[in-house]
Amino acid sequence: SYELTQPLSVSVALGQTATIACEGNNIGIKNVHWYQQKPGQAPVVVMYKDNRRPSGIPERFSGSNSGNTATLTIARAQAGDEADYYCQVWDASSVVFGGGAKLIVL
Amino acid sequence: EVLLVESGGGLVQPGGSLRLSCAASGFTFNDYEMNWVRQAPGKGLEWVSYISRSGTTLFYADSVKGRFTTSRDNAKNSLFLQINRLRVEDTAVYYCARERNSGSTDAFDIWGQGTMLIVSS
Repeated sequence: SYELTQPLSVSVALGQTATIACEGNNIGIKNVHWYQQKPGQAPVVVMYKDNRRPSGIPERFSGSNSGNTATLTIARAQAGDEADYYCQVWDASSVVFGGGAKLIVL
Repeated sequence: EVLLVESGGGLVQPGGSLRLSCAASGFTFNDYEMNWVRQAPGKGLEWVSYISRSGTTLFYADSVKGRFTTSRDNAKNSLFLQINRLRVEDTAVYYCARERNSGSTDAFDIWGQGTMLIVSS
């Protein structure tokens, strides 16, 4: 079965740029979606189809996908960006989530 | 307002059964494919199942195949998850989620607030 690997945590200084990686075999040919989840809340999509931002998501959020790695980039990180971030793809007839990466804003 | 509201969670003994519901409002329910996603306490997201707009196509995660059944009632704007032979490891918050666009392996753009299922004796 297909697997997605994310770092357990990513730390970023306030105002700096955070990059969260999502690794999967030839993930570059798949559509990758990203979700933000804050404690006690449901996930919210912050990026879909690799690099498309839903309405309401700040332009500071961007995405890319190539080869074996998809990346969510958060520029000018704010305290409010601290959350768990999950990547997700469809593989055949199933959905696969990455294990989630906790973004820590210092 | 586009909304999904889950219900039906609770405390159930191992081996028991339960049906979760998800009420949709604010959009044309039968235009969208739907999914169930669960999250065990302190763990990550785990996809559970998919159902097509008409309800005729169903996909399940291997971990729940044979025990979980997803269905929908488009006339009542409702999604259901029937869970049988409950196991302790089924303990989780269960979310229903709308797929952004049908037939395109798209993202889940609307999520409910989740309903908590605890399986314990």
